[in-house]
Amino acid sequence: EDQVTQSPEALRLQEGESSSLNCSYTVSGLRGLFWYRQDPGKGPEFLFTLYSAGEEKEKERLKATLTKKESFLHITAPKPEDSATYLCAVQPRDDKIIFGKGTRLHILP
Amino acid sequence: KAGVTQTPRYLIKTRGQQVTLSCSPISGHRSVSWYQQTPGQGLQFLFEYFSETQRNKGNFPGRFSGRQFSNSRSEMNVSTLELGDSALYLCASMSVGTQYFGPGTRLTVL
Repeated sequence: EDQVTQSPEALRLQEGESSSLNCSYTVSGLRGLFWYRQDPGKGPEFLFTLYSAGEEKEKERLKATLTKKESFLHITAPKPEDSATYLCAVQPRDDKIIFGKGTRLHILP
Repeated sequence: KAGVTQTPRYLIKTRGQQVTLSCSPISGHRSVSWYQQTPGQGLQFLFEYFSETQRNKGNFPGRFSGRQFSNSRSEMNVSTLELGDSALYLCASMSVGTQYFGPGTRLTVL
């Protein structure tokens, strides 16, 4: 069965304290892995798409990496405005996109 | 370009009623997907439409249905509402492998 597991469920960091969020997946034929950011009361905001193991993408303080079993979202020197829920999703061969339950990130000033 | 729009933003219904939610995708996007988001289950895929045809369907009961019009606008309908249908319903349009989400419709069933 295709599934996505994100860890930790919640993470509190001091401003400037770098860390990583994990997304482990089991899927038949990965077509793509996505990272989103979601603020309270809003729809998810697209961050990255990764297609194959070894691929990396960066945007400001965020960097996403992909292996055959998991993806990491690295956050470097985070700021309070980076506080949000980060969602990981995979698109298997049958195209039904599956989301993890997210990591709630809180950056303390 | 305008983003994905969803109407209404908030809705309160009672058990047994039915509801219709609307989604207008980004101009030029032909694929529209619907998701249900709840605190316990997270985001769950409902269905996807492409050029007026349902291309994929998630594991939801037949009370959940949808359609897409020739202008790519989509509607989803939930009949015989249950308390457990209370959720944020999100619509997303897709282009080149990337989904862009709307703000969602918050449905509360009393």
